[in-house]
Amino acid sequence: SQQGEEDPQALSIQEGENATMNCSYKTSINNLQWYRQNSGRGLVHLILIRSNEREKHSGRLRVTLDTSKKSSSLLITASRAADTASYFCATDPRFSFQGGSEKLVFGKGTKLTVNP
Amino acid sequence: DGGITQSPKYLFRKEGQNVTLSCEQNLNHDAMYWYRQDPGQGLRLIYYSQIVNDFQKGDIAEGYSVSREKKESFPLTVTSAQKNPTAFYLCASSIERRPTLFGQGTRLTVV
Repeated sequence: SQQGEEDPQALSIQEGENATMNCSYKTSINNLQWYRQNSGRGLVHLILIRSNEREKHSGRLRVTLDTSKKSSSLLITASRAADTASYFCATDPRFSFQGGSEKLVFGKGTKLTVNP
Repeated sequence: DGGITQSPKYLFRKEGQNVTLSCEQNLNHDAMYWYRQDPGQGLRLIYYSQIVNDFQKGDIAEGYSVSREKKESFPLTVTSAQKNPTAFYLCASSIERRPTLFGQGTRLTVV
């Protein structure tokens, strides 16, 4: 079952512009993670945000989390051609007090194209 | 450098054959996972393991089998019972409260 739903499915922008991708999910979560996937490659971890956090930054990346709306957004500022990839959100649907492994649930991703 | 190694990168299977995909990690992670990705889709969980000699089915375990005899290794066998095995297979590992990390994937094609 897929919990996360990314929006939009595809996004095409010019280099230097900002790119915003959204993720909605259905159940309570322990954390939410964003990944990048270049064509035919594995997933690269970008940011993990926990359920008690509202915003995190990493370089040109900014992630927000609104647990009341069950949504998250990923903002890439000053985009570059090298940012062209698919971006996935993945949720860990455990409650924070639960131990055990993360069985991440993925959305279908947003395909971002940054034109030079 | 620590990481997750999947092999082979490309694998071809004939109808009725079993094939095994390798996944090795040297991160000392406790948990390991196998995901399947179909074109234009997200990842779906096949199997996962939290400790050695123990594993659980994910959402799409039918036609697959795994073993976890060593902490570092979590091989996936795609059996002849899996009717549509052509896909991209991703192995991952994690340790409590840290991000889940992924290997580079194995692309399996039925010929």
